[in-house]
Amino acid sequence: GAVVSQHPSWVICKSGTSVKIECRSLDFQATTMFWYRQFPKQSLMLMATSNEGSKATYEQGVEKDKFLINHASLTLSTLTVTSAHPEDSSFYICSAYPDRGNSPLHFGNGTRLTVT
Amino acid sequence: AQKITQTQPGMFVQEKEAVTLDCTYDTSDPSYGLFWYKQPSSGEMIFLIYQGSYDQQNATEGRYSLNFQKARKSANLVISASQLGDSAMYFCAMREGRSGNQFYFGTGTSLTVIP
Repeated sequence: GAVVSQHPSWVICKSGTSVKIECRSLDFQATTMFWYRQFPKQSLMLMATSNEGSKATYEQGVEKDKFLINHASLTLSTLTVTSAHPEDSSFYICSAYPDRGNSPLHFGNGTRLTVT
Repeated sequence: AQKITQTQPGMFVQEKEAVTLDCTYDTSDPSYGLFWYKQPSSGEMIFLIYQGSYDQQNATEGRYSLNFQKARKSANLVISASQLGDSAMYFCAMREGRSGNQFYFGTGTSLTVIP
C-alpha cells in the first residue's frame, strides 16, 4: 500500500530556533502534498497545499514566511517552522495521495513539536 | 456551509456491539468520494473505507461498512462487533471531483469502547 513517511516524529526546540519536518511518499509519486496542524481533540486544520515545482498555496491566516514549505521532488515535501515560539507547539501531519481519482489521502505519522 | 458535518463529538459503545458514526456532507458536484479515517491516541491517521458517489453498493471493509444514503447526503460509518482497539477519533472526509486535490474533513467523533 501507499506509505508516507514523516520525520521527526517528535521534536523539542528552543524559542527562536527553526525546525524542519520532512514528508516523503515512499512508493508513489505525489504532485501534491498537504500539511495540517492539529490541536488536541480537534480536527485537522489545513495549513497549506504543497505543489511539486511551484510555490505552496497557503490557507488564510497561515503565515507563509513562518511556515516555509518546499516541495523539491515528487516524493518529498518539507515544512520549516522558522523562529519558533511556544504558540507554535502543536501536532503537524502531512499527507499525500497518488494521482488517481479514488485514492484516499495517505498520512504520515505526524510530528509533535514542543517549543520551550 | 460546512462541507462535512459530524454531529457526535463523543460516542460510547459496549464491546462486541455495533456502533454507527454519523456523517453528512454538502456538495453540488455529482462526482465525489467519501472517506473515513481512524486516529488513535498515537496520532496516525488510518484510512478505513471509501465510497464513491456513483457506487451503487454500500462499501464494506471487514468490520467497517458505510451506510451511504445519497439523497440524504449521509455517509455513516458502521463498526460491527466493537473491540477495545476501536477506541479512537474517527473523521469523515470528502473529495469533490471539481475541486481537484482538496479533501474536506469533519470535526471528528471520539469513540470509546467499554469492556
